[in-house]
Amino acid sequence: ETGVTQTPRHLVMGMTNKKSLKCEQHLGHNAMYWYKQSAKKPLELMFVYSLEERVENNSVPSRFSPECPNSSHLFLHLHTLQPEDSALYLCASSRLWASTYEQYFGPGTRLTVT
Amino acid sequence: QQPVQSPQAVILREGEDAVINCSSSKALYSVHWYRQKHGEAPVFLMILLKGGEQKGHDKISASFNEKKQQSSLYLTASQLSYSGTYFCGTEGANAGGTSYGKLTFGQGTILTVHP
Repeated sequence: ETGVTQTPRHLVMGMTNKKSLKCEQHLGHNAMYWYKQSAKKPLELMFVYSLEERVENNSVPSRFSPECPNSSHLFLHLHTLQPEDSALYLCASSRLWASTYEQYFGPGTRLTVT
Repeated sequence: QQPVQSPQAVILREGEDAVINCSSSKALYSVHWYRQKHGEAPVFLMILLKGGEQKGHDKISASFNEKKQQSSLYLTASQLSYSGTYFCGTEGANAGGTSYGKLTFGQGTILTVHP
């Protein structure tokens, strides 16, 4: 299934800019996630939303601000980022299966902070 | 604490087999396997649950040893399309519907299949 889309696919921003990443899922799922993937590091969970309510904030700095207006859309608002925030940001959505969650990922936004 | 995958990298010729392992130091509820090709989204491969239930692709098989907190992914008769980075994600034993799929991922295993 490839029903999770992310825009933009690439983003270059300065440290003083404000930008937003968008994720949309067309799978009818009710949970959505933001992950950070840095070079040579494991995937890091940032935020989890279930039925539009944030259920997990994994000690993420406040310069990252998520928003989930409905079960199909998820945003990640960025402001005053640091160069070490450059990474691939992946969105995922999931459905409940046998008491766990089967997650499907989008292609990611490659973010470069200059 | 993140699971540890082994090996870190493996090189195969088409038709050869490979096993990728994922080990955790904590008791697990589920193990999830994904494959990611360069510049693409991670693709779901398998879920294995404590108790034996599993779900995944027909051509991929895996095992989950609950006592050892270890899972193995078996890639048989490899094809060129199997190349990519394989990740395991683990869910703690106290989860199960309440953790909303909060997974801790391993560092990945790079698989390269040559003709």
